[in-house]
Amino acid sequence: GAVVSQHPSWVICKSGTSVKIECRSLDFQATTMFWYRQFPKQSLMLMATSNEGSKATYEQGVEKDKFLINHASLTLSTLTVTSAHPEDSSFYICSASGLHNEQFFGPGTRLTVL
Amino acid sequence: DAKTTQPNSMESNEEEPVHLPCNHSTISGTDYIHWYRQLPSQGPEYVIHGLTSNVNNRMASLAIAEDRKSSTLILHRATLRDAAVYYCILRERAGSYQLTFGKGTKLSVIP
Repeated sequence: GAVVSQHPSWVICKSGTSVKIECRSLDFQATTMFWYRQFPKQSLMLMATSNEGSKATYEQGVEKDKFLINHASLTLSTLTVTSAHPEDSSFYICSASGLHNEQFFGPGTRLTVL
Repeated sequence: DAKTTQPNSMESNEEEPVHLPCNHSTISGTDYIHWYRQLPSQGPEYVIHGLTSNVNNRMASLAIAEDRKSSTLILHRATLRDAAVYYCILRERAGSYQLTFGKGTKLSVIP
């Protein structure tokens, strides 16, 4: 099956710093990637839809200037959490859409902001 | 997206079959029924999907009611590795690729 990787798998940073998370589709090309956030004991919440070569579409309530998304190639999308604060601590998960609209998820990135 | 309703939690004994129900009474004719599962501290994993007919794959079976207002994910022999949160999601056939996750059913498998 298709494989999606994320890097890093976990990161701890100080408040006010920026953190970049990478999402790669390893063996297929993905024109569309999605970024989700999951707080403890809650379900996944879609943050944004990332299309290769165009601007990301953000869900209501998600600040586009705080969560910068870049999808420069068919195999890589990045999420940068700018000026991170403790309330941004969460599990960030990406997914990539395959040829038949199925979604393949990455293993997630655990962000802890001190 | 049309809404789905699942029990918050279920338990099963190891090596016994598990039937995970999902109600989707407002499903439209073009909605596919998707099931994903999420193991602890991992990203979700695709399990199975269907439209009208029952479906089988190596992981599970999906039984869809004739009126499509409900469906059941069947794990034929639960193992400890099947302990996860199972999400039933409706997705438009020709719509956006995005998935809307509900709360899912947390399945516990008892050895």
